[in-house]
Amino acid sequence: DTGVSQDPRHKITKRGQNVTFRCDPISEHNRLYWYRQTLGQGPEFLTYFQNEAQLEKSRLLSDRFSAERPKGSFSTLEIQRTEQGDSAMYLCASSLTVQNTEAFFGQGTRLTVV
Amino acid sequence: GDSVTQMEGPVTLSEEAFLTINCTYTATGYPSLFWYVQYPGEGLQLLLKATKADDKGSNKGFEATYRKETTSFHLEKGSVQVSDSAVYFCALSPGGATNKLIFGTGTLLAVQP
Repeated sequence: DTGVSQDPRHKITKRGQNVTFRCDPISEHNRLYWYRQTLGQGPEFLTYFQNEAQLEKSRLLSDRFSAERPKGSFSTLEIQRTEQGDSAMYLCASSLTVQNTEAFFGQGTRLTVV
Repeated sequence: GDSVTQMEGPVTLSEEAFLTINCTYTATGYPSLFWYVQYPGEGLQLLLKATKADDKGSNKGFEATYRKETTSFHLEKGSVQVSDSAVYFCALSPGGATNKLIFGTGTLLAVQP
């Protein structure tokens, strides 16, 4: 297993365009998390899935953001009508369903909105 | 709400120096505490964790003790190496079912030969 992979690694888009990111978790992990990290800050929780069910969403996740995890495998995060404030690193992590277990992070997708 | 405060960086040390990175937290329940590390060009990796008061997490020569009375989880290493240069994040998991993490802002450590 190569760990958590995210695609693309970098994305530059014009304001107002839609973008979609993909995350492939470690295969046996049934939990998947999305975080956002801006420059000089730590990652901030956005949402998480238990298998295909989205169980929690942060208030940071506005109506322009939507995440899916069909069939409980890979996940996508879509941002509609991007704004400059959406520029950030978007991180995906996966874990087993065990309390306090380690979360494994991908290298992230860096989004720049121009 | 729950939060984590870390000492600001960058921290610059010479090889073999002693390292301390301070971390304090605010939480309403009984959180678990973590240190994650991000080496250049890589994703976040768990360095160590502690799940209850007075627990000590340790890994690769790094240690941190969960101090409930001071709400702290300071990271220490007795002798740093150039290869320890990275960004270190303190984090808490509030407990309950989600295992979501609340991170501090990160501390950049630069170790010079």
